[in-house]
Amino acid sequence: GQNIDQPTEMTATEGAIVQINCTYQTSGFNGLFWYQQHAGEAPTFLSYNVLDGLEEKGRFSSFLSRSKGYSYLLLKELQMKDSASYLCAVSSNDYKLSFGAGTTVTVRA
Amino acid sequence: IAGITQAPTSQILAAGRRMTLRCTQDMRHNAMYWYRQDLGLGLRLIHYSNTAGTTGKGEVPDGYSVSRANTDDFPLTLASAVPSQTSVYFCASSDHAGGADTQYFGPGTRLTVL
Repeated sequence: GQNIDQPTEMTATEGAIVQINCTYQTSGFNGLFWYQQHAGEAPTFLSYNVLDGLEEKGRFSSFLSRSKGYSYLLLKELQMKDSASYLCAVSSNDYKLSFGAGTTVTVRA
Repeated sequence: IAGITQAPTSQILAAGRRMTLRCTQDMRHNAMYWYRQDLGLGLRLIHYSNTAGTTGKGEVPDGYSVSRANTDDFPLTLASAVPSQTSVYFCASSDHAGGADTQYFGPGTRLTVL
């Protein structure tokens, strides 16, 4: 099975940087996903890491360390529209996803 | 291209009633999934289908059934609804062709069982 932990809530100021950590224990690993979910909406894909290191996509970056069972999502130059829940999900060998409970990020002016 | 559609958007249901949540995708994805999302628990997999004609149980399958008669449709049925099945239900699909196999989600169905 999978055990995925991420903080429940984070608050940051517009224009700042926020880092959302995710730790996992897994019986099989085929990559780690980050999704964004605005209130009342569906999760949308942000990033995928399967090799160690940093993947950068504009203002968002995601990092993975497989040996430590650790990932983070870095949100730079925060905007009000970034207020959302961010879901960490681990893909097992059969491609099924196990999700963390999500981190609610609130961006304040 | 619509992607994934779900129906109904929301529903209030009396306990003991039968209910089918519909899910259709137009991306010709091989795999489809049903999740429920509850506050503080995140998304939990109910059932999945790796390809048309096959289904499998996820983490929380009890009280639910699915079928996959064709590539596009993956309905979820609650045979006799109970209040603990009050939740937001998301359908998702993925190509299942190896690599990242990113899942794409439908807009969700908010179900209340009274």
